[in-house]
Amino acid sequence: QKEVEQNSGPLSVPEGAIASLNCTYSDRGSQSFFWYRQYSGKSPELIMSIYSNGDKEDGRFTAQLNKASQYVSLLIRDSQPSDSATYLCAARLGAGNMLTFGGGTRLMVKP
Amino acid sequence: NAGVTQTPKFRILKIGQSMTLQCAQDMNHNYMYWYRQDPGMGLKLIYYSVGAGITDKGEVPNGYNVSRSTTEDFPLRLELAAPSQTSVYFCAISDGWGKNIQYFGAGTRLSVL
Repeated sequence: QKEVEQNSGPLSVPEGAIASLNCTYSDRGSQSFFWYRQYSGKSPELIMSIYSNGDKEDGRFTAQLNKASQYVSLLIRDSQPSDSATYLCAARLGAGNMLTFGGGTRLMVKP
Repeated sequence: NAGVTQTPKFRILKIGQSMTLQCAQDMNHNYMYWYRQDPGMGLKLIYYSVGAGITDKGEVPNGYNVSRSTTEDFPLRLELAAPSQTSVYFCAISDGWGKNIQYFGAGTRLSVL
């Protein structure tokens, strides 16, 4: 069974710190990875996608992918209270269209 | 929510009742998906469609049915509602090519009592 695993948290960081969110996946055929942010009571919104090994930066967000270790991470620099949300990691197998989601990590950024 | 409209936003059903959750898009995307999200959990795929007239089962299809007669609409039907179907239901769309990013509707919160 294809699985995507995340620590449920909560992960608590002080304002201005770096938040590090981690995700592992079981299917080596997974090719594309996505990080969605979900505020309480709201729908998931895409914040990062990554397709190749290494780092991808977008503003305060950096996604990291290591296919050999089957590991994806999201770093949030200069964390703000508005970053407090649940972050969902998702993986897509090959060229298919289905996403497998992890259970999400709840992030709390304290002022 | 990226051109995806879900109705209703909230609904309470009694055990054994039936209902249809509506999902409509104005993005002309071929791919549409139905997910459910239980409290504190990730998203589970119920059904998906790659175009009008074509649907297929996802990970948790039991107790649900779908149809796709147009590109715009992808309704999800619950027959004989059970308490286990209490959840938040999200519809998503993607264009089916390139990065094929999925975009989500605002969700329908359903309680079965």
